[in-house]
Amino acid sequence: QKEVEQNSGPLSVPEGAIASLNCTYSDRGSQSFFWYRQYSGKSPELIMFIYSNGDKEDGRFTAQLNKASQYVSLLIRDSQPSDSATYLCAVVPSNDYKLSFGAGTTVTVRA
Amino acid sequence: GAGVSQSPRYKVAKRGQDVALRCDPISGHVSLFWYQQALGQGPEFLTYFQNEAQLDKSGLPSDRFFAERPEGSVSTLKIQRTQQEDSAVYLCASAASPGTTYEQYFGPGTRLTVT
Repeated sequence: QKEVEQNSGPLSVPEGAIASLNCTYSDRGSQSFFWYRQYSGKSPELIMFIYSNGDKEDGRFTAQLNKASQYVSLLIRDSQPSDSATYLCAVVPSNDYKLSFGAGTTVTVRA
Repeated sequence: GAGVSQSPRYKVAKRGQDVALRCDPISGHVSLFWYQQALGQGPEFLTYFQNEAQLDKSGLPSDRFFAERPEGSVSTLKIQRTQQEDSAVYLCASAASPGTTYEQYFGPGTRLTVT
């Protein structure tokens, strides 16, 4: 079992809709959770981080963390064509410092 | 401010050649990481430095891979006798402090192609 699992997609949403991305992780003691956006041919760009259970909002992005269910999600509201990218979920397992990544979910926002 | 920079951006090497990839972290960042990203996959951890100390090299795939950060800033990842399976994007990331709650910021990567 991989440490971090994501649906690979592709996830296609119409412009203006909400895109919902999910991620599960295996290490129950994990403390830090990150979402990176990666455009084709570019490097990962940090867009959200969350450390506590609940929701964290930043502009059109909301990260949700449920440690009991070992689940972290990312919502993108009012999706724009510029949001079309691969979104990588990353987790720092307990007693660790390196990021463990999922394979990414590819999102396509159609105009 | 300046982000993480890497050079070269692209490198083509013949099988068996040695290559050196450079990373300049964000100024003052203590932690530096190297990751390898294969096509269609998330980055995979290679090695970690805290200042000049290499604290973890558990992700290095073979003894052909070597990394250093002698003065605690610039880091070099060296691959000896490159093989085709070494073809990937090599990403460097830095973080302000050691620990689990500090965000890592990535450089643009070096795309290595071994022919």
